Amino acid sequence: EAQVTQNPRYLITVTGKKLTVTCSQNMNHEYMSWYRQDPGLGLRQIYYSMNVEVTDKGDVPEGYKVSRKEKRNFPLILESPSPNQTSLYFCASSPGLPYGYTFGSGTRLTVV
Amino acid sequence: AQKVTQAQTEISVVEKEDVTLDCVYETRDTTYYLFWYKQPPSGELVFLIRRNSFDEQNEISGRYSWNFQKSTSSFNFTITASQVVDSAVYFCALSEITDSWGKLQFGAGTQVVVTP
Repeated sequence: EAQVTQNPRYLITVTGKKLTVTCSQNMNHEYMSWYRQDPGLGLRQIYYSMNVEVTDKGDVPEGYKVSRKEKRNFPLILESPSPNQTSLYFCASSPGLPYGYTFGSGTRLTVV
Repeated sequence: AQKVTQAQTEISVVEKEDVTLDCVYETRDTTYYLFWYKQPPSGELVFLIRRNSFDEQNEISGRYSWNFQKSTSSFNFTITASQVVDSAVYFCALSEITDSWGKLQFGAGTQVVVTP
């Protein structure tokens, strides 16, 4: 089944403890992206990647890192999480225009 | 500056009523793509439609229809004869060609509540 898989689905962590949210797609898509969803703000793009080793900042990249060492994987790294990074995170992939993104099921992160 | 505006935060309707969701976008590009996504209570994001800036034909898919008007920079979405299963948050999104394709910007979303 074609899908974007992100893990974990739920995560509670403490301020400052490094964490990684994994994302994998099995559709051989060129593009991958991370979004965060917050009430009243919609989905805001954190980072996106156009191919292996090619990434760029979205609208809210501060406090996040990404890497794209393989086409199928695009992990999101929070080196020192803070409470304002408590959010619902979505990973997505796309073959490129004219297609939109296919989204994963989401990761609800709470930083206390 | 936000490039996609969904001014309606929440719309409540009774089943079988029609509901129209507004989406106004801002871009200097002549080539761009617009999208609608649905987020039901279960939380996943479901793609509904995409439209490129050169195609101003309206589209109908079952009870869903979309009205794209470049003159007013709007891409509105109508659900006809709403059903309880239409209860969801609906997002409009914009991708500009001059940006790298990967940048897809979303509006804040409109919560649709359909009651029996």
